[in-house]
Amino acid sequence: SQTIHQWPATLVQPVGSPLSLECTVEGTSNPNLYWYRQAAGRGLQLLFYSVGIGQISSEVPQNLSASRPQDRQFILSSKKLLLSDSGFYLCAWSVTIGVTQYFGPGTRLTVL
Amino acid sequence: AQTVTQSQPEMSVQEAETVTLSCTYDTSESDYYLFWYKQPPSRQMILVIRQEAYKQQNATENRFSVNFQKAAKSFSLKISDSQLGDAAMYFCASGNSGAGSYQLTFGKGTKLSVIP
Repeated sequence: SQTIHQWPATLVQPVGSPLSLECTVEGTSNPNLYWYRQAAGRGLQLLFYSVGIGQISSEVPQNLSASRPQDRQFILSSKKLLLSDSGFYLCAWSVTIGVTQYFGPGTRLTVL
Repeated sequence: AQTVTQSQPEMSVQEAETVTLSCTYDTSESDYYLFWYKQPPSRQMILVIRQEAYKQQNATENRFSVNFQKAAKSFSLKISDSQLGDAAMYFCASGNSGAGSYQLTFGKGTKLSVIP
């Protein structure tokens, strides 16, 4: 069966520091991968998606970037964090574009 | 563009009773999917149930079932025999299966409380 991992689970970072969140999927090949952000009390906002290695599409211009160095690895990064980057970050995968997405456990990021 | 609306920010239900969460959506696509996700306090999004728009039969997963009214663009979730573990945020979402369609559109969620 397929499993999706995210780490770290919780992160507290100062403003201006770099960020690296990692997501890996097991048990499937060539998944579509997604990064979402959920601000407190709000729904999910799609940040990036990837349909293959090195292929990244951005949905919202912002202080973040994403990379996919391996088939089942998706990384969310920032060179300098802003206070507004605080939130809950969820990684998801799907087999088919636009169909069912399965989510990881998430990373709670607090920028102070 | 798709929109998903959940008009009930909060709901409560007695344990063992039945509750229905409402969702309406708007899409110009003919081929789409609808989902209900559950987000417990751990905050991991868990797929509860999925409905393909081309199927007239309502989806069912154990105690969870949907009432899909395509013409009315309504997609409600019914939880039967509610359990304490059902307490969570519930999100309705829609997505297309067409080429170039990558985004699920989520509603703002309904917080469900289960009263013992």
